[in-house]
Amino acid sequence: GNSVTQMEGPVTLSEEAFLTINCTYTATGYPSLFWYVQYPGEGLQLLLKATKADDKGSNKGFEATYRKETTSFHLEKGSVQVSDSAVYFCAIDNNDMRFGAGTRLTVKP
Amino acid sequence: DAGVIQSPRHEVTEMGQEVTLRCKPISGHNSLFWYRQTMMRGLELLIYFNNNVPIDDSGMPEDRFSAKMPNASFSTLKIQPSEPRDSAVYFCASSFSGKEETQYFGPGTRLLVL
Repeated sequence: GNSVTQMEGPVTLSEEAFLTINCTYTATGYPSLFWYVQYPGEGLQLLLKATKADDKGSNKGFEATYRKETTSFHLEKGSVQVSDSAVYFCAIDNNDMRFGAGTRLTVKP
Repeated sequence: DAGVIQSPRHEVTEMGQEVTLRCKPISGHNSLFWYRQTMMRGLELLIYFNNNVPIDDSGMPEDRFSAKMPNASFSTLKIQPSEPRDSAVYFCASSFSGKEETQYFGPGTRLLVL
């Protein structure tokens, strides 16, 4: 069945640092890939998505590229801000939706 | 629009009691999802409705869990009887149509079963 493995947290960075949160998946066929974000005290929000190989999802300075050859969908941001502090979830959907365990990011001023 | 509304926001109950979680999706959205978030298993999709009909309930853990959507603006997730291992945050989400569309999540209900 489908599964998602994402980088364990917590991750602590200084403001303006480069961020990478790794995500790899196991699935049959061609799943759609997602990153969700949960800000403190709020529900989940879709951050970005990609539906086919080599697609790049981007939003709010975050990017992730659908790499079928490495079955990965790593989340990156060139310069994080304190307001990016949140929990980030990688997810796949192949008619069988699966989420990663979440990675807590704390950005310090 | 107020977004997806969930109630209660917090629930503390004793083992064996019935728990009912409520969700009001965004008006005009045809799909509704129930998720559970635990530290052990992360976020899991429990059940997914489209046009008030359950499409996929394969994530529902066991018979103690049931979900209904009597109309387009209301859904419930019921646990009877509740057990301590049901303690989690339960999220409701809705989308315009199906899983491929952007899902908008409610704030969640934090459930603690003692």
